Amino acid sequence: QAVLTQPSSLSASPGASASLTCTLRSDINVGPYRIYWYQQKAGSPPQYLLRYKSESDKQQGSGVPSRFSGSKDASANAGILFISGLQSEDEADYYCMIWHSSAYVIFGGGTKLTVL
Amino acid sequence: EVQLVESGGGLVKPGGSLRLSCAASGFIFSNAWMSWVRQAPGKGLEWVGRIKSYTDGGTADYAAPVKGRFTISRDDSKNTVYLQMNSLETEDTAVYHCAAPMALGVTVPFDYWGQGTLVSVSS
Repeated sequence: QAVLTQPSSLSASPGASASLTCTLRSDINVGPYRIYWYQQKAGSPPQYLLRYKSESDKQQGSGVPSRFSGSKDASANAGILFISGLQSEDEADYYCMIWHSSAYVIFGGGTKLTVL
Repeated sequence: EVQLVESGGGLVKPGGSLRLSCAASGFIFSNAWMSWVRQAPGKGLEWVGRIKSYTDGGTADYAAPVKGRFTISRDDSKNTVYLQMNSLETEDTAVYHCAAPMALGVTVPFDYWGQGTLVSVSS
């Protein structure tokens, strides 16, 4: 089972909101981890969006709009990227990532967000 | 402006070798912990490895699939990080990006990314 699991795709309408989930494998508790999120548009390298561990430990990437935010759902053992006021330019692949002490950097499989 | 420019990709046969380079500018390269991240065609991101700054020991760590086959090195006089890839397998086919954090003494997050260079392993 993968360490980080993301839905392969998600669709939402312009102006609406979207929640992208990143579920940790059941033997890894999301609580202690910083969850990092990246956006990758077609033909471009990824761009760092933000990290979220808690309300007191979070960071927005440089120049990233505040309509991108992070949170956690402890009951689902998941990190969440929330995008409000969806725009056509938000159509992209989104990857979550953690730093794991034994495996170093681990990425989720990515979610393709379609805005239509 | 920060720039990371990869080069050295190409077509290589299984079992062959290739060395990638990543030239950095716009930040103090000698302080940066540099990583390589790859992306197979149509697939997701996969971390390959990272080299620390010489100030922090200059050691490298690798992902399990490449450990023992790939080696990361750096030349701070040239602001360049390298990825030596040996015993290449078809599964190593990917675009290889170099990436770095803005902060010092950490591996993540990857604030800076290069455009990547394509490595194709095929007979």
